[in-house]
Amino acid sequence: AQSVAQPEDQVNVAEGNPLTVKCTYSVSGNPYLFWYVQYPNRGLQFLLKYITGDNLVKGSYGFEAEFNKSQTSFHLKKPSALVSDSALYFCAGVDSGGYQKVTFGTGTKLQVIP
Amino acid sequence: DSGVTQTPKHLITATGQRVTLRCSPRSGDLSVYWYQQSLDQGLQFLIQYYNGEERAKGNILERFSAQQFPDLHSELNLSSLELGDSALYFCASSVDGISNQPQHFGDGTRLSIL
Repeated sequence: AQSVAQPEDQVNVAEGNPLTVKCTYSVSGNPYLFWYVQYPNRGLQFLLKYITGDNLVKGSYGFEAEFNKSQTSFHLKKPSALVSDSALYFCAGVDSGGYQKVTFGTGTKLQVIP
Repeated sequence: DSGVTQTPKHLITATGQRVTLRCSPRSGDLSVYWYQQSLDQGLQFLIQYYNGEERAKGNILERFSAQQFPDLHSELNLSSLELGDSALYFCASSVDGISNQPQHFGDGTRLSIL
């Protein structure tokens, strides 16, 4: 069975510092991986996805994620955090192919401190 | 704005009652997903439809049912409501439901059971 883990419930980072939100996955085949962000009282917004190819994926709002097959990880990164980046971040994944349902992680709350 | 519309935004009702949540997908999207988000359970996938037909089922209770209509809007029906059904219910849509596509989420319906 596929699973996605976000080991940190909360990450605190100072404004201007680099940020990393961690995600690890377990799927039986080649994974499709996604990051979403949720602001208070809003639905999830798509940030970026990894399907195949380059291990470094660039997405919206200056975010990027690095796919690491040997470590089964897909960490979200940003070189310089903004206070407005404070939100709940979800990693999601699925075994590639077809119409299989996506599994979401439990979410990581990112707090950027001014 | 994701283009996914959910109504109503808030719903307050009593135990034992029945409610219907409505979702209009993004223009051009054929697949609709329903999720339940609560503090203790995280984001739980309930069910997926594609062009009017059920495609995948997740942790959906027997008291819950859904359908997608010919105009592609979808409704989630919750009956015999219990206190534990209080949650945010999200609808999402994607072009054709293939697992490598991002999902676009509405802003949810907040259901409160008194």
